[in-house]
Amino acid sequence: KAGVTQTPRYLIKTRGQQVTLSCSPISGHRSVSWYQQTPGQGLQFLFEYFSETQRNKGNFPGRFSGRQFSNSRSEMNVSTLELGDSALYLCASSLTPGQGSSEQFFGPGTRLTVL
Amino acid sequence: AQSVTQLGSHVSVSEGALVLLRCNYSSSVPPYLFWYVQYPNQGLQLLLKYTTGATLVKGINGFEAEFKKSETSFHLTKPSAHMSDAAEYFCAVSDQSGNTPLVFGKGTRLSVIA
Repeated sequence: KAGVTQTPRYLIKTRGQQVTLSCSPISGHRSVSWYQQTPGQGLQFLFEYFSETQRNKGNFPGRFSGRQFSNSRSEMNVSTLELGDSALYLCASSLTPGQGSSEQFFGPGTRLTVL
Repeated sequence: AQSVTQLGSHVSVSEGALVLLRCNYSSSVPPYLFWYVQYPNQGLQLLLKYTTGATLVKGINGFEAEFKKSETSFHLTKPSAHMSDAAEYFCAVSDQSGNTPLVFGKGTRLSVIA
């Protein structure tokens, strides 16, 4: 069974641009969560989606948005990029919602660099 | 609010030595606790988790952790370190409802010296 796939793996953008990251969950998984990982802040929760509905949202500005499609694939978008948005963005999928109750499987991440 | 503190951002051990990575949590309700490992250029992989029941939890790759409620700790151990254990390790906590997001510690980088 294929694991969680994230595309692209690497991205370089400039300040002010916007970016869209994609995540394909493990087949049969309907829940997708997104995290931002930086050396200074560590792993921070962005959003959780289940059946195309956002269940939870972390403490990030409105520039960060996401969505989930009927096939459970998910995208996240960051508009008006800032230097501080440079990070590894991780996606995780699970069979059911609830990050504590259903094992999450992580993708390799998308490394975003903002210049 | 829940929080996790991992003592030591970097731990270095010799191959064959005991691995001990420390994690303390703060939670107003009995938590679920997790340890994840991240190898370079990869995502996180679940090592083990504590939900309820037996407080000593065994995970993959020979790791285990013990939930100590009185000490609010969930330290990760392995009797004998291998070179392949070199990675970043994250402790995380959630509440038992499963409705709150995982809260991660800052991580501990483990180096194994030959």
